[in-house]
Amino acid sequence: QSALTQPRSVSGSPGQSVTISCTGTSSDVGGYNYVSWYQQHPGKAPKVMIYDVSKRPSGVPDRFSGSKSGNTASLTISGLQAEDEADYYCCSYAGSHWVFGGGTKLTVL
Amino acid sequence: EVQLVESGGGLVQPGGSLRVSCAASGFTFSNYWMGWVRQAPGKGLEWVANIKPDGSDKYYVDSVKGRFTISRDNAENSLYLQVNSLRAEDTAVYFCVRWQGNMMVTWGQGIVATVSS
Repeated sequence: QSALTQPRSVSGSPGQSVTISCTGTSSDVGGYNYVSWYQQHPGKAPKVMIYDVSKRPSGVPDRFSGSKSGNTASLTISGLQAEDEADYYCCSYAGSHWVFGGGTKLTVL
Repeated sequence: EVQLVESGGGLVQPGGSLRVSCAASGFTFSNYWMGWVRQAPGKGLEWVANIKPDGSDKYYVDSVKGRFTISRDNAENSLYLQVNSLRAEDTAVYFCVRWQGNMMVTWGQGIVATVSS
């Protein structure tokens, strides 16, 4: 039950696009299309932004998109806005249990 | 309004026990998988446990197996996490979560549990 691998930090300027990667194994990310992404602002509870690799829950802007190739999932945020600055976590099903990534701090310059 | 409210955290000595509760409202509690996620100070999220809608199946992260027990009372719309044999590394904010399909769609505000002598 090892954590998924995410970059510690990414950054971008307003209006730009950034992509956050999430690397696992064939036992989690690569084995199931059950990857979700969560946004967490300081001191707040997380909020789901993407589920089932690429689906957006109601209310999430279409600037947020998800994809997967092999054992790596990705979250892309286009048209960066100041309010996107937060920590982002991927999460994958791993057969009877779930595993999170270590988290990525997104800084909007 | 869909809401999850945790309670029962606090300061516990190593080796001690705690029962964290989660009161659910605004949805039909008995229809949903529920779970617990924790976050150690300054660290990332860690999935802890899930329980089936009828309580018949429970799943845990390896590090808490044998020490933590997830349970629910559908009549009281409540979720519980009994935590025993606490260790310093169990110090965290514990979030109650509601699952919808394969996503944690609703989160509580979190409750702090601190293990220290």
